Amino acid sequence: AIQMTQSPSSLSASVGDRVTITCRASQGIRNDLGWYQQKPGKAPKLLIYAASSLQSGVPSRFSGSGSGTDFTLTISSLQPEDFATYYCLQDYNYPLGFGGGTKVEIK
Amino acid sequence: EVQLVESGGGLVQPGGSLRLSCAASGFTFSDHYMDWVRQAPGKGLEWVGRTRNKANSYTTEYAASVKGRFTISRDDSKNSLYLQMNSLKTEDTAVYYCARVGAELGYNWFDPWGQGTLVTVSS
Repeated sequence: AIQMTQSPSSLSASVGDRVTITCRASQGIRNDLGWYQQKPGKAPKLLIYAASSLQSGVPSRFSGSGSGTDFTLTISSLQPEDFATYYCLQDYNYPLGFGGGTKVEIK
Repeated sequence: EVQLVESGGGLVQPGGSLRLSCAASGFTFSDHYMDWVRQAPGKGLEWVGRTRNKANSYTTEYAASVKGRFTISRDDSKNSLYLQMNSLKTEDTAVYYCARVGAELGYNWFDPWGQGTLVTVSS
């Protein structure tokens, strides 16, 4: 199974900061990667698919990049509603696999 | 509005069985692959499995941790997805989400997700 390693596992940031989260696959997955946001007690929400395609309705401060094994989710200017946990997901092959998550907290 | 609503969660003893349902509305259910994802208390997300659509013979895929114990099925006439869970273990305790698989140009994604239903396996 492909292992997805997310880093950092948590970070503290202030409103307005630029935040970068990385996800590394244990083998190449082309750009078959999505990013999801989850707030406490809520279901995850799709942000990015195909590594860099922004889901409709998601603010443009979110962006994704990468291909192969290394991927990045960037929040260009952190907003109060962005404090949440973020997960990457590879859908290149089965079993699908999530990264361990990155909790973004208020500094 | 596209919506998924899970039901059927609850408390079950180790070794027991439970069937979860996911009712879909607001889209053509029969066109889509559908997945189950779970989240143990305080932990990350874990993919459970997938059912493809009729065009792909309703074939299924499972995570190794549930293969042989869990079965995913669907009833397109009822716009419903199911997860039959047998031989449950304490480590199956989790919130179970159903998710619609969106697809375009060979890429897949999960959107939307249901609100989740809690399964607790305990004696």
